[in-house]
Amino acid sequence: AQSVTQLDSHVSVSEGTPVLLRCNYSSSYSPSLFWYVQHPNKGLQLLLKYTSAATLVKGINGFEAEFKKSETSFHLTKPSAHMSDAAEYFCVVTLGPSGNTPLVFGKGTRLSVIA
Amino acid sequence: DTGVSQDPRHKITKRGQNVTFRCDPISEHNRLYWYRQTLGQGPEFLTYFQNEAQLEKSRLLSDRFSAERPKGSFSTLEIQRTEQGDSAMYLCASSPGTQYNEQFFGPGTRLTVL
Repeated sequence: AQSVTQLDSHVSVSEGTPVLLRCNYSSSYSPSLFWYVQHPNKGLQLLLKYTSAATLVKGINGFEAEFKKSETSFHLTKPSAHMSDAAEYFCVVTLGPSGNTPLVFGKGTRLSVIA
Repeated sequence: DTGVSQDPRHKITKRGQNVTFRCDPISEHNRLYWYRQTLGQGPEFLTYFQNEAQLEKSRLLSDRFSAERPKGSFSTLEIQRTEQGDSAMYLCASSPGTQYNEQFFGPGTRLTVL
C-alpha cells in the first residue's frame, strides 16, 4: 500500500537557519514522490517532484529533497529559512505506479519561522 | 487567470440538504481529481476522471456523493443529505494526463454543515 509518514507535525526554526522536514514513504512500486506547500488561505503548490531520475531534486524557492531508497526517505531541506517559508508542507506519493494517478498525502508539517 | 477555479468558495448548509460544487480545470487538462481535506489533515483522494470517464472512486466516497464530468471539461461534485461529518475543504485538481505531470490545485470549496 502507498503511504507517507511525516515525522514531525510542527517544526520551528529561526530565520536564516536550515530547514529539515522529514518524510518516510511506503510503496509497492518504484515511487513518484512530491512535496507540496500550502500557505494560509491559498491553494496547494508543488515544491518539487521525484520521478526516478536524479535522487537529489531541486525545487522552487531554494528547497531540495533527496530520495534515499535504502532508508525509504524523502526529506525536504533548505539551507536558510525565510519568513515567507512559514506554511504547511505535505509529503506526497502517488497511489499507482504511474506519476499521473491520485495522490496520497501525509498529515502535514507546519513550519514556523521565528524572526 | 488560467488556473483551476472552484465555485462556490464557501458553502454553509443545514444537515440533510443537498449541495453541489463546481470545478473548472485548466484548459486542455484531461485529468481531473477531487480531494477532501479536514482540519489538521492532508487532503484525501475522492475520485478522478480522464476526460468524461470516471476512473476510480475512493472508499471514502459514500453513496451520498456523486461526481460527474459530462463533457470532459468542468466537473461537479454533489453531496446528498449532508451530514456534519461532511464539513471539510473540497479540493479540485487537474493535470495534462501525461506521466509525471504535476496536479494543479484549485482554491477549494469550504463546506460547513450545521
